[in-house]
Amino acid sequence: EIVLTQSPGTLSLSPGERATLSCRTSQSVTSNNLAWYQHTPGRAPRLLIYGASRRPTGIPDRFSGSGSGTDFTLTISRLESEDFAVYYCQHLGLTFGGGTKLE
Amino acid sequence: QVQLVQSGAEVKKPGASVRVSCETSGFRFSIYGFTWVRQAPGQGLEWMGWINVYNGDTNYAQNFQGRVTMTADTFTKTAYMELRSLRCDDTAVYYCARNSGGGYQDHWGQGTLVTVSS
Repeated sequence: EIVLTQSPGTLSLSPGERATLSCRTSQSVTSNNLAWYQHTPGRAPRLLIYGASRRPTGIPDRFSGSGSGTDFTLTISRLESEDFAVYYCQHLGLTFGGGTKLE
Repeated sequence: QVQLVQSGAEVKKPGASVRVSCETSGFRFSIYGFTWVRQAPGQGLEWMGWINVYNGDTNYAQNFQGRVTMTADTFTKTAYMELRSLRCDDTAVYYCARNSGGGYQDHWGQGTLVTVSS
């Protein structure tokens, strides 16, 4: 079973700053199978990135994903107030990482 | 538009069962799969399993093997998740989500709070 480790656990930033979130997998994975979600308390999770770097329709371009092998990154270029949430990476539509809280 | 609407909050006693429904609209239900995910208080997202509506295949997380059953009704376009032998630590918000062709979950229900308490 592949384990996803996200870091940092909590990231404290201000609106307008750049956020860089990491997801490391215990084995090399195919980029096509790596996704990122945003979860705001009281709301349903939202798909942000799939295939490691692709944005679904409607996701702002300040969200970007990159990486390959075992190391993947979600970058939010300029934080807006609604971006403060918990972010999860996921492999193969199954296992989630432990999450990074952006506060 | 794509919509997944889940059933309302439930309160159950330990040992009981709960069935959560996920009524869908706005897409062709029968060709998709559905994943169930839960979030316990103060915890992260936990994948529970999925059902492929097209062929009825299911895949359950090991943690839930023997306690969970996922089904789908193509006439009412509704997915269901039943969890049995409930324990207090099953208290969580349960989400259904549609599986995209790539396996990830592209649309989610609003969540159903299940509280297990004596």
